[in-house]
Amino acid sequence: DVKVTQSSRYLVKRTGEKVFLECVQDMDHENMFWYRQDPGLGLRLIYFSYDVKMKEKGDIPEGYSVSREKKERFSLILESASTNQTSMYLCASSPGRIQETQYFGPGTRLLVL
Amino acid sequence: QKEVEQDPGPLSVPEGAIVSLNCTYSNSAFQYFMWYRQYSRKGPELLMYTYSSGNKEDGRFTAQVDKSSKYISLFIRDSQPSDSATYLCAMKDYGGSQGNLIFGKGTKLSVKP
Repeated sequence: DVKVTQSSRYLVKRTGEKVFLECVQDMDHENMFWYRQDPGLGLRLIYFSYDVKMKEKGDIPEGYSVSREKKERFSLILESASTNQTSMYLCASSPGRIQETQYFGPGTRLLVL
Repeated sequence: QKEVEQDPGPLSVPEGAIVSLNCTYSNSAFQYFMWYRQYSRKGPELLMYTYSSGNKEDGRFTAQVDKSSKYISLFIRDSQPSDSATYLCAMKDYGGSQGNLIFGKGTKLSVKP
């Protein structure tokens, strides 16, 4: 079974704090993704990575950065958290170019006060 | 026109009913089609995966793709209260940005006992 884990299920942070969200997959997948999910807006892609140390901007990268130092680990960083970054954050991974299926982690609910 | 359109619902049905969930899309290059199920406060889980046109059945679930009409469906037979969730369609073309999926916004389904 593919397993994608996220470091926290719930997180409360203050405006201006630096926030780290970690994601780990155990299936040697090439691709990893970070999304945020908001009511009425659906899933929106923030960043993705096709290989170690590679990263590509998604649809809404502003205010976020990412790090992929090891194949199994993909981190999302909020440099200076703002209230409009309160959301559900979902990490996903997929095997590679041909197989397109993505497997999701349980999500992190982030509240920025 | 958005690439993928999905009625957000909510859709409420009695237990045992046949449920039909649908998505329309505009990009004729889409080749891979997926349905994800997302329970409240959880990450999406892959339910069905189809390539190109046709039907695919898995237990009580049937996924149908009609590429000529740019229309995909998920049918749930003998629906159960445990099927209550949000259902997301997702799709991708073969040559597009590798690994990236285009998601619908999801349809919220409630199956009443």
